[in-house]
Amino acid sequence: GAVVSQHPSRVICKSGTSVKIECRSLDFQATTMFWYRQFPKQSLMLMATSNEGSKATYEQGVEKDKFLINHASLTLSTLTVTSAHPEDSSFYICSARGVAVPSNEQFFGPGTRLTVL
Amino acid sequence: TQLLEQSPQFLSIQEGENLTVYCNSSSVFSSLQWYRQEPGEGPVLLVTVVTGGEVKKLKRLTFQFGDARKDSSLHITAAQPGDTGLYLCAGARRYQGAQKLVFGQGTRLTINP
Repeated sequence: GAVVSQHPSRVICKSGTSVKIECRSLDFQATTMFWYRQFPKQSLMLMATSNEGSKATYEQGVEKDKFLINHASLTLSTLTVTSAHPEDSSFYICSARGVAVPSNEQFFGPGTRLTVL
Repeated sequence: TQLLEQSPQFLSIQEGENLTVYCNSSSVFSSLQWYRQEPGEGPVLLVTVVTGGEVKKLKRLTFQFGDARKDSSLHITAAQPGDTGLYLCAGARRYQGAQKLVFGQGTRLTINP
């Protein structure tokens, strides 16, 4: 149980375009989803927290107008990177936490590799 | 300033040796998770420790949560090449009104045959 999927797994786009990444909890209802960013050989940095039906909370230094997050249902959250630039190239990982999950456990998706040319 | 200090950040040892990875903080966590991440994939949860002083074993892996819930360790006995990967500790704490995970820098472990 507790499977989280992400789509796409890899995306290459041109500078200035927008890219949408989907995160789905497949076998549980995720009241909270998290979006992380990971640069090569570095750890995960939390970008934002989203609760179903409400606005996302962004970490300090993360531009909310650039990284749009929508958590419209208990199984789906989307991250849209708007007007992407090469410096946005990174590995984006989502995680989900459900109502019945103990100890604040988060279950992670497989990640999306974004390359902006 | 790194909230959760993980060490060592790189470790390369021979098959059959033992090793310990440490996560230390000045902050108290409600729980602490250990993850393993393969290249190009998301982290996979290994264990969650909740109670101060708690010890959990997962085959050759032993996880310990400090008495004050500020630090944790991962000990691997008789390491095997299949243990190679990035190990991440993450502490759960509440700030800005939400329960969030704070990750350590990670330990990149290589087990040589």
